Amino acid sequence: QVQLMQSGTEVKKPGASVKVSCKASGYTFTAYGFSWVRQAPGQGLEWVGWISAHNGNTNYAQKLQGRVAMTTDTSTNTAYMELRSLKSDDTAVYFCARGVAVADEYYFDFWGQGTLVTVSS
Amino acid sequence: SYEVTQAPSVSVSPGQTASITCSGDKLGNKYVYWYQQKAGQSPVLVIYHNIQRPSGIPERFSGSNSGNTATLTISGTQVLDEADYYCQAWDSSTALFGGGTKLTVL
Repeated sequence: QVQLMQSGTEVKKPGASVKVSCKASGYTFTAYGFSWVRQAPGQGLEWVGWISAHNGNTNYAQKLQGRVAMTTDTSTNTAYMELRSLKSDDTAVYFCARGVAVADEYYFDFWGQGTLVTVSS
Repeated sequence: SYEVTQAPSVSVSPGQTASITCSGDKLGNKYVYWYQQKAGQSPVLVIYHNIQRPSGIPERFSGSNSGNTATLTISGTQVLDEADYYCQAWDSSTALFGGGTKLTVL
């Protein structure tokens, strides 16, 4: 069965970086992509970006351009999201989600359990 | 920039039909996706491509999309359907989520 297992809780200071991992199992890793979606405390869902596990192509939310980087490691079936120059309003639960590509769009059919990233001095 | 809008809350009695709407300019020209998120859990895809139901999602969940409004309909709503529901669409290669609708079943 499809499973996405994310890394654990992170606490970071403003200005630092965080790298969250998402290990996939139960399907052919390179046949899909990954999106990362975040949810600030008590708030709604916000799309962070997308990476194709097939060719590494990425597409990031405009507001995070320059601070976010997504990668995949096909040898370990793991996707990564790194966010740099952290600010307090980056505090959120970060979810990875498997993306099913259809033309220029994707939908998210399986989700990880979420990783809480807290940014605080 | 493009936006999709949802009402913050909807209430329904058990066994009744719940309708959760998502609005956006010419939204009917786009595909809409719906996600259910129960308290403390990860989102779950319940409708894709406006009307398609993933494997394992009960038949009481259905979707439609026309004009400026997409609708998620839950027929015979059960207490276990109480959750936040988010619509999502794509515009200019950006995934956009609605603000979410809290469905209360009481």
